[in-house]
Amino acid sequence: DAGVTQSPTHLIKTRGQQVTLRCSPKSGHDTVSWYQQALGQGPQFIFQYYEEEERQRGNFPDRFSGHQFPNYSSELNVNALLLGDSALYLCASSSRGAVGETQYFGPGTRLLVL
Amino acid sequence: AQSVTQLDSHVSVSEGTPVLLRCNYSSSYSPSLFWYVQHPNKGLQLLLKYTSAATLVKGINGFEAEFKKSETSFHLTKPSAHMSDAAEYFCVVSDRQRDDKIIFGKGTRLHILP
Repeated sequence: DAGVTQSPTHLIKTRGQQVTLRCSPKSGHDTVSWYQQALGQGPQFIFQYYEEEERQRGNFPDRFSGHQFPNYSSELNVNALLLGDSALYLCASSSRGAVGETQYFGPGTRLLVL
Repeated sequence: AQSVTQLDSHVSVSEGTPVLLRCNYSSSYSPSLFWYVQHPNKGLQLLLKYTSAATLVKGINGFEAEFKKSETSFHLTKPSAHMSDAAEYFCVVSDRQRDDKIIFGKGTRLHILP
């Protein structure tokens, strides 16, 4: 049973560029959440997708956008990259119908903006 | 609004001695509470979760946590530390009844002394 997978594992971009990160949820999960983890900090919630729609959003600007596909996989897009966007981006999947749902995390994509 | 506070940014214990990582939460409704562990350059792994069943929750690798509503605490303990327990630990609160947002604490770095 494959867990949550993310690609790529590492990425280097320059300021102003755009980036797309990808996530495949754990088998049987229908909900995908994205988090940003800056160095030395806890993960911060970006947004959550369910049924191909953004359901919840954290305190992130519109430069951060996402998409969920019919197979439940998801993309995170960041436009006009800033140096401060350098971080580990984590994807987590869960099953929305479960009470006290547990989120299972992928290994993350480490983004460096130069 | 929900919040979670991890009272110690760093904890050092000797191998074989007890571990206590402290977490206090704030939630308007009945929360779900989790502890995750993150080893260096690894993804987040669920240790245990509380979802309004038994107040003493047992997790993996000998860890357990007790939900104390009167103290709004969910401290993580282990009777005997092992070198492999050295990692970053995150306390997490979510309020499924309200808005599904998941809030991470800032983390506690656990150091194990030989």
